[in-house]
Amino acid sequence: QVHLMESGGGVVQPGTSLRLSCAASGLDFSGYAMHWVRQAPGRGLEWVSFISYDGNTKHYADFVEGRFTVSRDNSKNTLYLQMNSLRAEDTAVYFCARDGWTAVTKYYFDFWGQGTLVTVSS
Amino acid sequence: DIQMTQSPSSLTASLGDRVTITCRASQSISSYLNWYQKKPGKGPKLLIYAASILQSGVPSRFSGSGSGTDFTLTISSLQPEDFASYYCQQSHSVPPFTFGGGTKVEIK
Repeated sequence: QVHLMESGGGVVQPGTSLRLSCAASGLDFSGYAMHWVRQAPGRGLEWVSFISYDGNTKHYADFVEGRFTVSRDNSKNTLYLQMNSLRAEDTAVYFCARDGWTAVTKYYFDFWGQGTLVTVSS
Repeated sequence: DIQMTQSPSSLTASLGDRVTITCRASQSISSYLNWYQKKPGKGPKLLIYAASILQSGVPSRFSGSGSGTDFTLTISSLQPEDFASYYCQQSHSVPPFTFGGGTKVEIK
């Protein structure tokens, strides 16, 4: 049974940092790319970041502007999102998701965690 | 970047109703379109991928169709557990992995 569990959220002041973690179980973590997606209060889903199965390829949404870094430790089955220079507009629930990519269907996010809330406020 | 536009943004329906949600891409995305269900306090759930492939475990009342720029998610007979928000997402030209703005399905 696939399980993804995010942690590390909290209330922080603007300009500070936070590191989110996503612990995976029940899946071949090292064999899949992963994503971070967020949902601000009352808003829709917004893709944040992608990391390939081996960590060698990373992509970010434009709004990240060099502030976030995605990484993974396949030996620990854990995905990370280091978020620096946080802004009020980064306030959201952050989800990790597995990418079920195939050559025929391309990318789709087939398993998701429950999310962790990040609140940026002074 | 490809923009994804969903309509309507919200709808009200009764149990047993047939519900249709549309998603339009700003340019052709072939069949690389996914649909997700999102309930408050829970992570999103994949319903349909590659426009029409039903994810394992998803009830058959959900179906997807379309290609190019216009896509549809249909719920053939609305059940109590289907009241939620629904999002489309394109995976043709990435990054970014763009989501539509969402459609909230509420009880009439």
